[in-house]
Amino acid sequence: GAGVSQSPSNKVTEKGKDVELRCDPISGHTALYWYRQRLGQGLEFLIYFQGNSAPDKSGLPSDRFSAERTGESVSTLTIQRTQQEDSAVYLCASSRGRVPETQYFGPGTRLLVL
Amino acid sequence: QKEVEQNSGPLSVPEGAIASLNCTYSDRVSQSFFWYRQYSGKSPELIMSIYSNGDKEDGRFTAQLNKASQYVSLLIRDSQPSDSATYLCAVPNTGNQFYFGTGTSLTVIP
Repeated sequence: GAGVSQSPSNKVTEKGKDVELRCDPISGHTALYWYRQRLGQGLEFLIYFQGNSAPDKSGLPSDRFSAERTGESVSTLTIQRTQQEDSAVYLCASSRGRVPETQYFGPGTRLLVL
Repeated sequence: QKEVEQNSGPLSVPEGAIASLNCTYSDRVSQSFFWYRQYSGKSPELIMSIYSNGDKEDGRFTAQLNKASQYVSLLIRDSQPSDSATYLCAVPNTGNQFYFGTGTSLTVIP
């Protein structure tokens, strides 16, 4: 079946602009995660959605970052007033249920802020 | 102390040797542990998961878990050049937030 998809695959923007990143999880996966990975670094947790529960936003680095998810489908990560330090790969992952399970990652969005 | 720690490497082993990758974690109540492989420029993909103390084998890969020592490792037998990648250890907390280590870079030399 189809895996996790993300769009755009690459995004170049100017400092101060807003960007919106999209994630389509695997159908039927109730859990969805967003991570940030800077060049040569590990994965940094940003936000976690589980079904219709309130999301865990504890990893969002500033109030310029926000994310939404409609039910158990598409999620969007929005970064307002982008800064150069926001340049990174943004990875989305989904998994089946509430208990910690295998996460399946999308291909990521490579964001470059000039 | 970071929630999950790994030696960043790089770790180099000759083809056919055993590669040993190590990970320690800080949350004593953690119950599940995951190893992901990430090729350069690609997304992480699951290698193995382990939930119980002891060893779990899958082909050339063996995961070892010692909850008392808060230690999980991944052994790769008969290492191949195609195993060259960064290996990430991931440990979820009780809230399902996953903590990833910074990864160990492995190079298998032909």
